[in-house]
Amino acid sequence: RKEVEQDPGPFNVPEGATVAFNCTYSNSASQSFFWYRQDCRKEPKLLMSVYSSGNEDGRFTAQLNRASQYISLLIRDSKLSDSATYLCVVRRGSTLGRLYFGRGTQLTVWP
Amino acid sequence: SAVISQKPSRDICQRGTSLTIQCQVDSQVTMMFWYRQQPGQSLTLIATANQGSEATYESGFVIDKFPISRPNLTFSTLTVSNMSPEDSSIYLCSVSGDNSGNTIYFGEGSWLTVV
Repeated sequence: RKEVEQDPGPFNVPEGATVAFNCTYSNSASQSFFWYRQDCRKEPKLLMSVYSSGNEDGRFTAQLNRASQYISLLIRDSKLSDSATYLCVVRRGSTLGRLYFGRGTQLTVWP
Repeated sequence: SAVISQKPSRDICQRGTSLTIQCQVDSQVTMMFWYRQQPGQSLTLIATANQGSEATYESGFVIDKFPISRPNLTFSTLTVSNMSPEDSSIYLCSVSGDNSGNTIYFGEGSWLTVV
């Protein structure tokens, strides 16, 4: 079983839509969780960390369910510029422990 | 934030040859990481490059195939040796942005196509 599993999509949504991505991780020792964004033919960049209580950054909301080993990302009021691949990333163990990346979920927002 | 420069940004290589990718960081960092992202796949850690000691390789990756140098705290190289078409991939250099390790910065990547 892979460390991190994501629905690869693609998700095609109109501007203004709300879209949610899900991610599951296999190792209960995982300590830190992140969503990264990767634009086509570009390097990944941190979108947001995911905290146990859930957290919000503008139109983006991340949730963590440790019991189910499940992470989500909600994007409200989608913009054309949100079109990208969203990577679920999990760190096992200590602060500098290894990162495990999901394959990514591809999102296309159309006008 | 850390600024990471990678060279080459892309290359087309003949099978059987080797290519060295360079990674330069604008600040001193303890650990540098090399990842591979094959088409349609997730990022996979190849190795951690430690200054002053040998790199630490992940399962499935060996030093003979991916030799790494780390001569100082701002620079590292990854060589892809005896390339085959299966090595066609993006190779990414990465560093941790702070002591918490929560922010990881990537170079722009080196896109290799082996023909």
